[in-house]
Amino acid sequence: SQQGEEDPQALSIQEGENATMNCSYKTSINNLQWYRQNSGRGLVHLILIRSNEREKHSGRLRVTLDTSKKSSSLLITASRAADTASYFCATVLSGGSYIPTFGRGTSLIVHP
Amino acid sequence: NAGVTQTPKFQVLKTGQSMTLQCAQDMNHNSMYWYRQDPGMGLRLIYYSASEGTTDKGEVPNGYNVSRLNKREFSLRLESAAPSQTSVYFCATIRTLRDSPLHFGNGTRLTVT
Repeated sequence: SQQGEEDPQALSIQEGENATMNCSYKTSINNLQWYRQNSGRGLVHLILIRSNEREKHSGRLRVTLDTSKKSSSLLITASRAADTASYFCATVLSGGSYIPTFGRGTSLIVHP
Repeated sequence: NAGVTQTPKFQVLKTGQSMTLQCAQDMNHNSMYWYRQDPGMGLRLIYYSASEGTTDKGEVPNGYNVSRLNKREFSLRLESAAPSQTSVYFCATIRTLRDSPLHFGNGTRLTVT
């Protein structure tokens, strides 16, 4: 069963625009991770944010975490055609086996 | 530095046939995972190995077996393939369980007819 759910399922924007994807989850987490998957390839890790962190940046990527709302967002600024991919959030629950559990993903298309 | 290598990349099986998917890593990571990815379902965990010598079931283990051959290698076996096992299979590794990201191979695309 999915712990994290991304929203929207699909997003289509023009190059230069910002893209925002959201992830909601149900139970307390140790950390939350965002991944990108290009067509026909494996997933690539983007950012890991811990439960005691509120915001992290990496280049054009900004991830926020609101544990009171059990949600996270991934913002890609100044999108490029090369950002076209599927984006997944994965949650690692507090306690237990610390296994990342994935949502269904957001499909992002950036038009040149 | 290859990272996580999966073989084969593609495979077509007939119902009832068996096969083993291979995964090898050169990252010296302790933990290894097998996920399957189906359209609209995200990734679901089949089996994992927290460390050499241990394996545990994930969310969807039925119809699969695994072997952690050594620290580098973690194989997934389908004893009697079924059409429901048509999927893309990903192997992944993790450095430390608590707060490290997964490193993925490029997947094996399996079709069972």
